Amino acid sequence: GAGVSQSPSNKVTEKGKDVELRCDPISGHTALYWYRQSLGQGLEFLIYFQGNSAPDKSGLPSDRFSAERTGGSVSTLTIQRTQQEDSAVYLCASSPGIRESQPQHFGDGTRLSIL
Amino acid sequence: QKEVEQDPGPLSVPEGAIVSLNCTYSNSAFQYFMWYRQYSRKGPELLMYTYSSGNKEDGRFTAQVDKSSKYISLFIRDSQPSDSATYLCAMSGYSGAGSYQLTFGKGTKLSVIP
Repeated sequence: GAGVSQSPSNKVTEKGKDVELRCDPISGHTALYWYRQSLGQGLEFLIYFQGNSAPDKSGLPSDRFSAERTGGSVSTLTIQRTQQEDSAVYLCASSPGIRESQPQHFGDGTRLSIL
Repeated sequence: QKEVEQDPGPLSVPEGAIVSLNCTYSNSAFQYFMWYRQYSRKGPELLMYTYSSGNKEDGRFTAQVDKSSKYISLFIRDSQPSDSATYLCAMSGYSGAGSYQLTFGKGTKLSVIP
């Protein structure tokens, strides 16, 4: 498709389970970003990829969070041993590169609910 | 003090009104400024994108940046019910780790009443 695609669109799981969230960026975009959007908190940066490497993992909130990107395209964000505070919308964005002048384009997110 | 401050609203206006949305920021290194529109249960959609100080117009939308005051605005003329959404300001700054990160305001929820 033409835009950033994320799956699943909704995910409900029990506390303590692991979850995987997927992002398929715009074709040809080398930079990929993950954000978390919590109610009343705005967008929080988690991690970015340039190609398959992740030079900046500073935003990951704990070691339960990890992400990978393969083939310079699809990325997966994994949350292990989920906690209720992990409930949020997880958004993925991509851009043609990492230069400041290149804007980011977002997918519709995965709504994660931890029971 | 947060890096980016944005009044969360909610803001309710009648159809046809001029809407003014604003953000202030503290980091003087920000050079690129964006406005995103986010409809309910959708991702943010890039609306306006400006570099440094000045104005940029696109149809009914005008983005204004005043770097000396660290203040940016989005004006919507002849507002329509379809403009009802949350508007997020965002600014680009070097993260120190090889990339430029976006710092977002918390968003202003706008309702345009027919």
